[in-house]
Amino acid sequence: GQQLNQSPQSMFIQEGEDVSMNCTSSSIFNTWLWYKQDPGEGPVLLIALYKAGELTSNGRLTAQFGITRKDSFLNISASIPSDVGIYFCAGSGTYKYIFGTGTRLKVLA
Amino acid sequence: GAGVSQSPSNKVTEKGKDVELRCDPISGHTALYWYRQSLGQGLEFLIYFQGNSAPDKSGLPSDRFSAERTGGSVSTLTIQRTQQEDSAVYLCASSLALRDTQYFGPGTRLTVL
Repeated sequence: GQQLNQSPQSMFIQEGEDVSMNCTSSSIFNTWLWYKQDPGEGPVLLIALYKAGELTSNGRLTAQFGITRKDSFLNISASIPSDVGIYFCAGSGTYKYIFGTGTRLKVLA
Repeated sequence: GAGVSQSPSNKVTEKGKDVELRCDPISGHTALYWYRQSLGQGLEFLIYFQGNSAPDKSGLPSDRFSAERTGGSVSTLTIQRTQQEDSAVYLCASSLALRDTQYFGPGTRLTVL
């Protein structure tokens, strides 16, 4: 099925470092969501964005809805070991959410 | 309930058998979605319900897959004559209304031997 282009696919970082990941689409979206998935669990919503240019924070997480409405960014500051997991973006134009391929994050203590 | 629940959490079946996967959405959520996640992959949209109707079945991989929702609540995803390529985690999500944020269940891990 259709998926967004999410990058990087995976990354190893040292504890305390900042992390950035992004999603791009060929389609314009009205909503962007960022989820985190732990092994054996369903995705859990981190941040929801509803307006182009919107910048929203949730603790150490900050996400932005790109001005072009075709991209979104997620930043994690001062990473900790429990940040490990797979991060998915999801974009929606109508009712259907298209999911990115995921960024697998591993934090080295 | 407090969140979306799915059952069973794990299902191992033999090739050719039929399976039923169940999803209990968050109470009051009118929209319900089914996704499939293969190992190490993203989420593949299968079908969504608005109330009891399913306007978009375009994501169902084949006619062996079907889903229904009764009473605007519980949904079942049925896979007939399972094949090994059906092995995946099947995730259900619900939202208050269409276009609202989707909340996911823990998924059902299906293994077809």
